[in-house]
Amino acid sequence: SYVLTQPPSVSVAPGQTARIICGGNDIGSKSVHWYQQKPGQAPVLVVSYDDKRPSGIPERFSGSNSGDTATLTISRVDAGDEADYYCQVWVRTSDYYVFGTGTKVTVL
Amino acid sequence: QLQLQESGPGLVKPSETLSLTCIVSGISIRGSSYYWGWIRQPPGKGLEWIGNIYYTGSTYYNPSLKSRVTVSVDTSKNQFSLKVTSVTAADTALYYCASVKEGDTLFDPWGQGTLVTVSS
Repeated sequence: SYVLTQPPSVSVAPGQTARIICGGNDIGSKSVHWYQQKPGQAPVLVVSYDDKRPSGIPERFSGSNSGDTATLTISRVDAGDEADYYCQVWVRTSDYYVFGTGTKVTVL
Repeated sequence: QLQLQESGPGLVKPSETLSLTCIVSGISIRGSSYYWGWIRQPPGKGLEWIGNIYYTGSTYYNPSLKSRVTVSVDTSKNQFSLKVTSVTAADTALYYCASVKEGDTLFDPWGQGTLVTVSS
């Protein structure tokens, strides 16, 4: 089965940049989506297809994907960005959806 | 605007069957270009895809759950359902329904989720 690995936590000071990695075998050949989940809420899509921002998502959220690592970057972090973030891919060969292990972003 | 809402019992006994329904509003399931899916999240843990269904009834399941899971669709009621048999405490989770537009590979939007606890 395909595994996506994320660091359990990332801490960042307000105004700085948070980078959340998602590791997977040759993930660069797949499309990666990122979700933000705040406490008590359902996940919300913040980046799709590696680097596309859905309508309503601030430009501070961006993504990249190459090789074995995909990255979600949050610029000019503020307290409202504190949440869990999950990457997700679709495995074409098995028609199977996989989520990353999740990263908790803490704003110091 | 497409919206989804989960419903079902919040408590299920071990070895019994968990049954949930997701009511779809804002679009007709019949003939829609969407797949309808279930995702769960154990308390304090990450997200796990359970399975998807197309309005025609074609289903796709997580191999790790396939033997115990059935997803079905009722186009007359504009809803789809999840059944998980022989539940244990490990099936205690927040269960979400979500949609995947045909041709896409992402879940959007999601329902608010419903907590199911497996306990005697």
